[in-house]
Amino acid sequence: DAGVIQSPRHEVTEMGQEVTLRCKPISGHNSLFWYRQTMMRGLELLIYFNNNVPIDDSGMPEDRFSAKMPNASFSTLKIQPSEPRDSAVYFCASSGGTGSMNTEAFFGQGTRLTVV
Amino acid sequence: AQKVTQAQTEISVVEKEDVTLDCVYETRDTTYYLFWYKQPPSGELVFLIRRNSFDEQNEISGRYSWNFQKSTSSFNFTITASQVVDSAVYFCALSGDNFNKFYFGSGTKLNVKP
Repeated sequence: DAGVIQSPRHEVTEMGQEVTLRCKPISGHNSLFWYRQTMMRGLELLIYFNNNVPIDDSGMPEDRFSAKMPNASFSTLKIQPSEPRDSAVYFCASSGGTGSMNTEAFFGQGTRLTVV
Repeated sequence: AQKVTQAQTEISVVEKEDVTLDCVYETRDTTYYLFWYKQPPSGELVFLIRRNSFDEQNEISGRYSWNFQKSTSSFNFTITASQVVDSAVYFCALSGDNFNKFYFGSGTKLNVKP
C-alpha cells in the first residue's frame, strides 16, 4: 500500500488567497483525520471523518476553514481566505477501526503551508 | 476528559545511554488505546506501537521497550543503547471508544549526541 498521500508537499501563497490541501487515505480505512502542527500549539486535531461523515469539527479554528470527504478515497481541507497565522504543517491521517476496533492512525507526509 | 501529558520537553543523551520518555494519560473510558509515534527531523510521523487498556504486558522490540502501568496511568518508552538515528520528537497518544479520536501529547524532543 502506498500509505496516506497528501498533496501538495509544500505550498506558498499570499494572504487572502484560497488554499486547498488534498488527502488520499489508505484504502479500506474508514476514519480520516486532519491535524495541524505548529511550534506553539503542537499537534492539533482539526476535524475527523468516519465513513465519510464529519464526526467532530470542533478543532476547526474558524469559518475560514472547511473540510470535505466526498468519497472514501479523497478528502480536502480548504482555507479561504488564508492568513499568515495559518502557516503550519498540515497532516492527514487515516485509520481502519471504529468503536472498539480502534487501530493506529497512519500519517501522510504533511503539507507545509506558508502564507506570506 | 481525555488528556496526554509528556512532561519532558527535551532530553539530551550521549550515544549508547539508555533513555526513558514519560507519558501520563487521563481518561474516563474503560477501554482505551495508547500509542507512540516518532517524528524524525524529516517531519513525517511514524507509528511505533499500540497498546490496549486491557493488556498490561510490557513489550520489547529490539532496543525499544514500553512499560504500561494502569495503576499510575503511565505508558513510558525506553530506548536502550541510544543511537544518533533515534534523535527525533516522540509523541504519546490516546484514543478511546469515541470513533477513534486521537489525543496527542506535546511531544518530547530527544537529542542523541555522538
